[in-house]
Amino acid sequence: AQKITQTQPGMFVQEKEAVTLDCTYDTSDPSYGLFWYKQPSSGEMIFLIYQGSYDQQNATEGRYSLNFQKARKSANLVISASQLGDSAMYFCAMSPGSNDYKLSFGAGTTVTVRA
Amino acid sequence: GAGVSQSPRYKVAKRGQDVALRCDPISGHVSLFWYQQALGQGPEFLTYFQNEAQLDKSGLPSDRFFAERPEGSVSTLKIQRTQQEDSAVYLCASSRRGVGSEAFFGQGTRLTVV
Repeated sequence: AQKITQTQPGMFVQEKEAVTLDCTYDTSDPSYGLFWYKQPSSGEMIFLIYQGSYDQQNATEGRYSLNFQKARKSANLVISASQLGDSAMYFCAMSPGSNDYKLSFGAGTTVTVRA
Repeated sequence: GAGVSQSPRYKVAKRGQDVALRCDPISGHVSLFWYQQALGQGPEFLTYFQNEAQLDKSGLPSDRFFAERPEGSVSTLKIQRTQQEDSAVYLCASSRRGVGSEAFFGQGTRLTVV
């Protein structure tokens, strides 16, 4: 069984600053995938970034980067140069390598960007 | 279509009523998933289709929940004899294969059982 923990229910960040969203996970699978999704108030889940457990380098996608520390079982998301449109709920998720369709999500972190 | 489309966006049902939630995946996407998201929580897996085959329904909370995808494209999630605890947002996602980086979610159907 997998478990995703997001300990920050809500965060405020000043526009143009960087913010780090914490995510820790627990799994016994040797192979797994880690994801971050953004959910704005409109409701859809928007894929942001993916990290495979065997990837040597941390994933980056534009202003998003994933700080993957395998030994500590953490997969923190860093959003650089925050924009007002970044205000949303952010979810960390994991899929086992054996069933890569089955995502387990954390409880989410609400990010509010202030002008 | 351009994205995953779900209908209706909002549904209010009286307790005991049957409901049907529709998902139109992205054209050509083989895999389709349903998730349930309670208020203030992360989504939880319900079921997975590969084409018309339902390969995993381990997340369906009870036998009142039933999903189908008869022609391998549109999917319907049916809930019989709705209960208040069924109130949630039901999210559908599709991808070319498993979840990976290609999964696209719809905007969800918010079901409220009164």
